[in-house]
Amino acid sequence: GAVVSQHPSRVICKSGTSVKIECRSLDFQATTMFWYRQFPKQSLMLMATSNEGSKATYEQGVEKDKFLINHASLTLSTLTVTSAHPEDSSFYICSAHRDWLIGMDQPQHFGDGTRLSIL
Amino acid sequence: KNEVEQSPQNLTAQEGEFITINCSYSVGISALHWLQQHPGGGIVSLFMLSSGKKKHGRLIATINIQEKHSSLHITASHPRDSAVYICAVLTNSGYALNFGKGTSLLVTP
Repeated sequence: GAVVSQHPSRVICKSGTSVKIECRSLDFQATTMFWYRQFPKQSLMLMATSNEGSKATYEQGVEKDKFLINHASLTLSTLTVTSAHPEDSSFYICSAHRDWLIGMDQPQHFGDGTRLSIL
Repeated sequence: KNEVEQSPQNLTAQEGEFITINCSYSVGISALHWLQQHPGGGIVSLFMLSSGKKKHGRLIATINIQEKHSSLHITASHPRDSAVYICAVLTNSGYALNFGKGTSLLVTP
């Protein structure tokens, strides 16, 4: 069964709406979770690293005020796309590490992703 | 230039064929992942390698650290194997995965 749950799976909304996406680790604690974005026919691109109890680390070119990340507990990270516009339409997916030792040889577990469509 | 290159980009095979997907990378890595992404978008981790070879059912993954190259093989392919297969590396200095663009596989009956 899934070890990382992502919700919602699909969102269609009007331009200007803020959209919150949740990523939960179901049977393990995840100090670190990752948020990726994937445009059609493109690679997954890391947006930010979500750290429990501290500020997220954003990749270059990703607006932190646009994509708000909150990692308030060891099992939940949220990504909020604020004032979404059509160019934010994409597939967003999260992943989590089982082991707290970042970079150790541990598998990442992915959520099922959220397909966001902004009209 | 992407640090992770996959080939081929697209692949069509007939059911039963042996399939190979290749991945080359240009950086030092601590681990390499092969992932499967289904049409709905969900991603499943197939293998994580740091050396040698792993086998799971009809899937085999190999890695050559010196040559910075990995292959994913599918034996006796089946239409349900149709998906996008993605190679991703965890670099020595990083903490998140760098992804290839994926290989779109279609297995026809």
